[in-house]
Amino acid sequence: GAGVSQSPSNKVTEKGKDVELRCDPISGHTALYWYRQSLGQGLEFLIYFQGNSAPDKSGLPSDRFSAERTGGSVSTLTIQRTQQEDSAVYLCASSLGGTISNYGYTFGSGTRLTVV
Amino acid sequence: SQQGEEDPQALSIQEGENATMNCSYKTSINNLQWYRQNSGRGLVHLILIRSNEREKHSGRLRVTLDTSKKSSSLLITASRAADTASYFCATKENSGAGSYQLTFGKGTKLSVIP
Repeated sequence: GAGVSQSPSNKVTEKGKDVELRCDPISGHTALYWYRQSLGQGLEFLIYFQGNSAPDKSGLPSDRFSAERTGGSVSTLTIQRTQQEDSAVYLCASSLGGTISNYGYTFGSGTRLTVV
Repeated sequence: SQQGEEDPQALSIQEGENATMNCSYKTSINNLQWYRQNSGRGLVHLILIRSNEREKHSGRLRVTLDTSKKSSSLLITASRAADTASYFCATKENSGAGSYQLTFGKGTKLSVIP
């Protein structure tokens, strides 16, 4: 597609439930990133995929968080047993290159997750 | 960990005035980028400046980079109400984990009053 697509745009879930957030990157972009933004804060890096390499999961805040990227394209971020502190906007971005490279990111519109 | 830090945290100016936002960072970088965010949703890439560049222009945007001071500035000239948004700097480091992903600051919230 023309841009990075994320779904759903909004998600309200009960504490303790699992949620899945989806990201469709720009076709041909080998690098895909997930970030989280809490209210009024900067972006917190979560996880990074580059081609067929093992993902960099160093930003995931706990083992309740996991992500996969199937076929080098669509990615799913899963949060198990959601907690209220998981409430945030989850942003996905893709770019042409991952390692030291001079490409900007294209962001999706994000998924606003509210845990009640 | 926080790499880029923007200054000021919030800025309010009249339409037509220039807006200057600053960013400081801590490590050696490969490039520095500025993004804009409206209404807390997706970010839009504005401009990228490489570590061997000192100044770059794009339309009404002017970015400077001083690697000796580990700082950058974003100047928006002749501001418009539509420029109202949060502006973030982001750095890509030269080595280590930070060379694989951008590290963002907390942003400057710009309000342009018509």
